[in-house]
Amino acid sequence: DAGVTQSPTHLIKTRGQQVTLRCSPISGHKSVSWYQQVLGQGPQFIFQYYEKEERGRGNFPDRFSARQFPNYSSELNVNALLLGDSALYLCASSLGQEGYTFGSGTRLTVV
Amino acid sequence: AQSVSQHNHHVILSEAASLELGCNYSYGGTVNLFWYVQYPGQHLQLLLKYFSGDPLVKGIKGFEAEFIKSKFSFNLRKPSVQWSDTAEYFCAVTNAGKSTFGDGTTLTVKP
Repeated sequence: DAGVTQSPTHLIKTRGQQVTLRCSPISGHKSVSWYQQVLGQGPQFIFQYYEKEERGRGNFPDRFSARQFPNYSSELNVNALLLGDSALYLCASSLGQEGYTFGSGTRLTVV
Repeated sequence: AQSVSQHNHHVILSEAASLELGCNYSYGGTVNLFWYVQYPGQHLQLLLKYFSGDPLVKGIKGFEAEFIKSKFSFNLRKPSVQWSDTAEYFCAVTNAGKSTFGDGTTLTVKP
């Protein structure tokens, strides 16, 4: 079985641009969460979606948005990129609340 | 806002030594508790979880954790570590759709 897949693996963007990151959950998993991880810190929770509805939102500005599609895949969008948005963005999926399976992440660099 | 504290940033042990990694969380209500592990070059993996019931939970690879509600703690233990346990360990708390991770503890096991 394929695990959680994220694309792209690496991305370089310029300040002010917009970026879309994609995530495909494990087959059968209906919950997808997004995290931001900077070096030396644990993952910071951004969003959780379950059955295409937002179920949780972390302390991130409105420049961050996400959605979940009928096939349970998800996109994370970040507008007006700042240098501080440079990080590893992780997607995780689960059947419910039993614990997440993480993808390998998208490394975003904002220059 | 809930927070998770992992007191040890870096722990160095010799093989066969016993391990205990501390984790304290701030939220006083009902929470789900997790430990995740990230081996070098790999993505985050679920090590063990606690939802309810027996406060001593056993996970993969001989790890266990004890939930002490009065101390808001969920410490990770292993009686005898191996070189292959070298990794970064993250404690996480989930409540009402929001997940909070600690900043991680890097464990180095010397052969």
